[in-house]
Amino acid sequence: NAGVTQTPKFQVLKTGQSMTLQCAQDMNHNSMYWYRQDPGMGLRLIYYSASEGTTDKGEVPNGYNVSRLNKREFSLRLESAAPSQTSVYFCASMPSPSSYEQYFGPGTRLTVT
Amino acid sequence: SQQGEEDPQALSIQEGENATMNCSYKTSINNLQWYRQNSGRGLVHLILIRSNEREKHSGRLRVTLDTSKKSSSLLITASRAADTASYFCATEETSGSRLTFGEGTQLTVNP
Repeated sequence: NAGVTQTPKFQVLKTGQSMTLQCAQDMNHNSMYWYRQDPGMGLRLIYYSASEGTTDKGEVPNGYNVSRLNKREFSLRLESAAPSQTSVYFCASMPSPSSYEQYFGPGTRLTVT
Repeated sequence: SQQGEEDPQALSIQEGENATMNCSYKTSINNLQWYRQNSGRGLVHLILIRSNEREKHSGRLRVTLDTSKKSSSLLITASRAADTASYFCATEETSGSRLTFGEGTQLTVNP
């Protein structure tokens, strides 16, 4: 099993450009999450999907949209990138919405100039 | 805002010594989890302690939870250079569905 995979690993965007970060998991998990991590800080939740067909806002959703394409895939879209969105983005999955550990992908390092 | 606050922010010890990290949180929780992050990598789950548990062990890890004080500690015994990493606590609130992470403790174990 590959676990949680993310593409791309690195990306540089200019202000105003758009892009989609892809995430997939092969563990048949119900819940999936997108976080951002800024230097020297913990993770902040952007959006999550407790189960296929549902998505909810997290702590810092502004400037992002998500799509739970199917049970395996959960994508994060930046419609008009801003320098404040420069960060490392992590996708995670969990078997069900409560009382289990989360499994993390390797991250996407995004720079917006 | 962050639910968990970790202390200390950074810790430097010698190989073989024990390392203790603390986490405080604000609201009622279902469980508290500890994760490790090596530089440039994703987070890896270490241990989960439920709100009705007071202590849990896993190998060289010992976690305690005091729900009356809303605090937890992670003890790594007989540390190794390979333990060098950032350690994060994360709480699952009673509303469920999501974890809230602290800002982490950067542990350096010197050989």
